[in-house]
Amino acid sequence: DTEVTQTPKHLVMGMTNKKSLKCEQHMGHRAMYWYKQKAKKPPELMFVYSYEKLSINESVPSRFSPECPNSSLLNLHLHALQPEDSALYLCASSHPGTNNNEQFFGPGTRLTVL
Amino acid sequence: TQLLEQSPQFLSIQEGENLTVYCNSSSVFSSLQWYRQEPGEGPVLLVTVVTGGEVKKLKRLTFQFGDARKDSSLHITAAQPGDTGLYLCAGERNDYKLSFGAGTTVTVRA
Repeated sequence: DTEVTQTPKHLVMGMTNKKSLKCEQHMGHRAMYWYKQKAKKPPELMFVYSYEKLSINESVPSRFSPECPNSSLLNLHLHALQPEDSALYLCASSHPGTNNNEQFFGPGTRLTVL
Repeated sequence: TQLLEQSPQFLSIQEGENLTVYCNSSSVFSSLQWYRQEPGEGPVLLVTVVTGGEVKKLKRLTFQFGDARKDSSLHITAAQPGDTGLYLCAGERNDYKLSFGAGTTVTVRA
């Protein structure tokens, strides 16, 4: 299995809703990432988990809450989002400690906040 | 401030033409990745270059890593409509973090 899967594919939510994005990989990668991407822009790093521990938080607002239940799963819990949070949310994974940080991306969740 | 300067930002060419995308930096990278992304999908890893001066070929795509490991280029020969997409370069400087270029939107017209 050489892919990263993400659910849901699309999500529309109101500013008072609570929702979660899910990511899964079975490549044995021990680093997992959340990125936010706006149209025609590069991905912006949000969080990095290494060996199930949060190692990087790029000053992301607390309305985004990551969780890594095990080495294959990564969640992003959303609460009280703003319309400007609408974007493509990408999950990625890599094998830390190798010579190069090849990251494999999932297909993303297209999030719209009304 | 973008650590990696990618150019051009947009490129529109006719099928069969060649194109080159550049990725430049004043910083040294331990490796550099090239991704292609189609609308609504995640980036797909095309290649990783690691050694200064390295050249890698992937069918009609040729990737070069500069001798000083500060710059890279992607050349596509005889472009096809299927090559259309957002091309992203990303350099690794330390563990976990990739520095992305701003991206090049390539459109190949049939």
